[in-house]
Amino acid sequence: QGQLVESGGGVVQPGRSLRLSCAASGFSFRSYGMHWVRQAPGKGLEWVAGIWYDEGSNKYYADAVKGRFTISRDNSKNTLYLQMNSLRGEDTAVYYCVRFSEEAFDIWGQGTMVIVSS
Amino acid sequence: SYVLTQPPSVSVAPGKAARITCGGNNIGSKVLHWYQQRPGQAPVLVMYFDNDRPSGIPERFSGSNSGNTATLTISRVEAGDEADYYCQVWDSSTDHYVFGTGTRLTVL
Repeated sequence: QGQLVESGGGVVQPGRSLRLSCAASGFSFRSYGMHWVRQAPGKGLEWVAGIWYDEGSNKYYADAVKGRFTISRDNSKNTLYLQMNSLRGEDTAVYYCVRFSEEAFDIWGQGTMVIVSS
Repeated sequence: SYVLTQPPSVSVAPGKAARITCGGNNIGSKVLHWYQQRPGQAPVLVMYFDNDRPSGIPERFSGSNSGNTATLTISRVEAGDEADYYCQVWDSSTDHYVFGTGTRLTVL
């Protein structure tokens, strides 16, 4: 049915950068749009960014991260990325990699924790 | 931006029905999905296109969406249904995906 495994989280100082990766398996990665959704500690879900199935096409960003985060994918490696620059304390969250199908987020990874702190 | 409002908490006795609402301006005109998040786990899609269940989701879960309110109904609630539930839509005016504020379902 498909699996998503995130990596790259950790503790980073404000203003620094971090790149998250998401390895997909068990489905045709190149056929699906992919997204990142985050959840701050004790808070609800927040959509972060999305990318269409083909690498060079449309990308979408939440206002809170636009201009600082970049979503990308490498279909030859079945991998989704999130480059996060100029990190802030409010970016502290669990970041989930999510598959987009039938207009819904149908497969979720287990998440990777990002803590922005000095 | 589009806002989806959910009650913070809903409590129900085992075997009874739980109804979790999701309010938004003319939400009935949008395609709506529901996610269940058990403590310490990643979210799981439990309802899509208002009232379609993914494979593996029990028939006890059903949905409706009309006017300004969408509802997720869980009949014959079990202890394992205790979780946070989130509604979600796509806001075509901004090309953003929006989640509801979330509802914690407690099984008494």
